[in-house]
Amino acid sequence: DQQVKQNSPSLSVQEGRISILNCDYTNSMFDYFLWYKKYPAEGPTFLISISSIKDKNEDGRFTVFLNKSAKHLSLHIVPSQPGDSAVYFCAAEEESSGDKLTFGTGTRLAVRP
Amino acid sequence: DVKVTQSSRYLVKRTGEKVFLECVQDMDHENMFWYRQDPGLGLRLIYFSYDVKMKEKGDIPEGYSVSREKKERFSLILESASTNQTSMYLCASSEGGGNQPQHFGDGTRLSIL
Repeated sequence: DQQVKQNSPSLSVQEGRISILNCDYTNSMFDYFLWYKKYPAEGPTFLISISSIKDKNEDGRFTVFLNKSAKHLSLHIVPSQPGDSAVYFCAAEEESSGDKLTFGTGTRLAVRP
Repeated sequence: DVKVTQSSRYLVKRTGEKVFLECVQDMDHENMFWYRQDPGLGLRLIYFSYDVKMKEKGDIPEGYSVSREKKERFSLILESASTNQTSMYLCASSEGGGNQPQHFGDGTRLSIL
């Protein structure tokens, strides 16, 4: 049972445009959400997170939006750059689980020059 | 910066061998985690540890065991390697206390022949 779903395995975007990566979850006990970026042959790198008490968090070109009623979150990258080409994983933490994360299957983003 | 170091980037072993994957973190983190990453399946949690000598099963513990004798070191053991354990193995650590990101090593690409 996949509690965190990334339904788009891949996404291709033109450089300078907006990239929107989506993530859905089913467990209403999740209260903390994270996005990781992964380049080939490297470990995932933490990008940005959001607590369930917020609906938006920004960090430079990256913004994460959380819609708790829809159990949906999204990562916006504006403007997209070729160096953003990577696999992006959505992850969620259940309240009181002590940093234990459930990951989605990932979306491969390709930013075309 | 958090540094999580995995002892080998690439490893080739034979079926039936006992395999040790080592992970060390330098930030005095309480929690440590072992994942495997397979195409289309995302990151799946094998085992985790909240403290020295403590271990908890993750989602796919079968065929694996772990050891945490010191706070900074978390070892994953394949008791008798099988070909279906060929995968990318990722170690991570986090501060503990909830709502803290995990920080990952660069992974070990393990092939079982």
